[in-house]
Amino acid sequence: QKEVEQNSGPLSVPEGAIASLNCTYSDRGSQSFFWYRQYSGKSPELIMFIYSNGDKEDGRFTAQLNKASQYVSLLIRDSQPSDSATYLCAGDGGSQGNLIFGKGTKLSVKP
Amino acid sequence: KAGVTQTPRYLIKTRGQQVTLSCSPISGHRSVSWYQQTPGQGLQFLFEYFSETQRNKGNFPGRFSGRQFSNSRSEMNVSTLELGDSALYLCASSFAGDQPQHFGDGTRLSIL
Repeated sequence: QKEVEQNSGPLSVPEGAIASLNCTYSDRGSQSFFWYRQYSGKSPELIMFIYSNGDKEDGRFTAQLNKASQYVSLLIRDSQPSDSATYLCAGDGGSQGNLIFGKGTKLSVKP
Repeated sequence: KAGVTQTPRYLIKTRGQQVTLSCSPISGHRSVSWYQQTPGQGLQFLFEYFSETQRNKGNFPGRFSGRQFSNSRSEMNVSTLELGDSALYLCASSFAGDQPQHFGDGTRLSIL
């Protein structure tokens, strides 16, 4: 059973701090990883994807991938109250050709 | 560029009925995936279609079925509805199933 695991949270950080969200995956064949943000009552929105080991930065967001440790993370710098949402990590299912989602981490940024 | 369009947005049905949900993908996207989202189970994969062929299927009973048309639009059907089918049904499209997927707004199905 291919799985993606996330700490459900809630993760609470003060405004302006760095929020660190983590994810592990079971399938060593997975090559692509995705982070989605989902506000309450809304659908998931793609915010980052990463295919290679190392870091990928986009504005205040940095995705990190370590394939040897089967670990993916998302850092949010200068966290804002508008970043409060559930963050979903997903990995590709390898030969299955679909995405496997974790259950999400709820982030709360306190003003 | 238009996003993924799902219709209807809300549905109320009773047990035993059947329902059909529709999804129009982003132009150029040939892969359409369907997910069920509930508070307890998170996002669960239903099935994925690519060029009118179902390539992958999640662990759901045969009451859940789907199809894809030549224009990549997809429909999902649930027969003999049960109370436990109440959920948000999300459609996502991509160029290929393991590429970044973009979600529609979802159809919220309530079973009475």
